[in-house]
Amino acid sequence: EADIYQTPRYLVIGTGKKITLECSQTMGHDKMYWYQQDPGMELHLIHYSYGVNSTEKGDLSSESTVSRIRTEHFPLTLESARPSHTSQYLCASSVGGVQETQYFGPGTRLLVL
Amino acid sequence: GQQLNQSPQSMFIQEGEDVSMNCTSSSIFNTWLWYKQEPGEGPVLLIALYKAGELTSNGRLTAQFGITRKDSFLNISASIPSDVGIYFCAGQLIQGAQKLVFGQGTRLTINP
Repeated sequence: EADIYQTPRYLVIGTGKKITLECSQTMGHDKMYWYQQDPGMELHLIHYSYGVNSTEKGDLSSESTVSRIRTEHFPLTLESARPSHTSQYLCASSVGGVQETQYFGPGTRLLVL
Repeated sequence: GQQLNQSPQSMFIQEGEDVSMNCTSSSIFNTWLWYKQEPGEGPVLLIALYKAGELTSNGRLTAQFGITRKDSFLNISASIPSDVGIYFCAGQLIQGAQKLVFGQGTRLTINP
């Protein structure tokens, strides 16, 4: 069982607010990822990190930003939330290497009014 | 970008029936992963496949890594109500950045 945590699990917030979604893992994994997923739909990679101080944008353009100051922590920030940001945000991590297996957190469901 | 074609998109079956779903691509993968996701939760890893031709079981679940490296299937035998959910395949490309490519998901509904 993967030890990867996301908070909050649910967030309802007004337009224009700044939000930070937290993701932490206790497995010592180097690689961490953020995906955006609309209900029942496929996952879209928006950010990833291969280690401390390393961040890259994913395949789906996103107005969010990420940071990786510590191995275990990979927060995602939206400076000014909009209704179009309403979605589920999933964090994942993997140990890395040639063949990797990603483990997911429980997700944060964001609703921007 | 790279795409995985996952089918079927949805399945409606009777409890006790066997289930089969698959993913195909024109690209070559060095890893295939199968996940299950329930509403409001993150995907949970079911089976990981790392070698072409590999056949792996996890309880009533069996998955295979296609010999061409371009496909994989997942079978569920004797389905039960708690099998309900969305099943995703994911493949890691053999070339380029080692990110995962996800299928569109198969939504499984079981009539008791």
